[in-house]
Amino acid sequence: AQTVTQSQPEMSVQEAETVTLSCTYDTSESDYYLFWYKQPPSRQMILVIRQEAYKQQNATENRFSVNFQKAAKSFSLKISDSQLGDAAMYFCAYRSVYNFGNEKLTFGTGTRLTIIP
Amino acid sequence: KAGVTQTPRYLIKTRGQQVTLSCSPISGHRSVSWYQQTPGQGLQFLFEYFSETQRNKGNFPGRFSGRQFSNSRSEMNVSTLELGDSALYLCASSLVGVTGSSYEQYFGPGTRLTVT
Repeated sequence: AQTVTQSQPEMSVQEAETVTLSCTYDTSESDYYLFWYKQPPSRQMILVIRQEAYKQQNATENRFSVNFQKAAKSFSLKISDSQLGDAAMYFCAYRSVYNFGNEKLTFGTGTRLTIIP
Repeated sequence: KAGVTQTPRYLIKTRGQQVTLSCSPISGHRSVSWYQQTPGQGLQFLFEYFSETQRNKGNFPGRFSGRQFSNSRSEMNVSTLELGDSALYLCASSLVGVTGSSYEQYFGPGTRLTVT
């Protein structure tokens, strides 16, 4: 079974600064998807960024980028130019590509990000 | 295109009762997954339905069940409610490709269930 670990329960960053959220995972599979989801207070979960394991290039979405280290099984999220709207709970998630219809997401415990004005 | 909708948004039930939660996926999405979110256990996968068939199931007791209708709407049912069932129940839909798997899931706002 796969596991996802987020070792930072809480993080804070000054507005306009850069912050990196950590995620490690454990799997014996060679191909898989990794995701970062954001869950603002009392609002729904939205996808921030995704990475396919077979792609060596790190994914980037505007101010959000990942550092994917497959050998180390590490998948960190970097948020540049932090904005007040980035305040949320961030979840790292793993999904297998094997087995027909394996839609199951395995989530980490989350990192609560606070933005300091 | 409308997002994933879940009804009701809030629910208060008494221990021993049963409850049914509803999820309407994004138009065209045929896969619906359910997750339970609690402060203690985090986000846990309940089950996933595609074309009215359960394809995958998490490690939950049989009191938790679900179904999917021909229009892809899904319901989950919890019987004999326990205090520990208090949680935010999230539904997610995805567009399944010809390989039978999807690229990403889109979440609804959730149903907050409180069991007293």
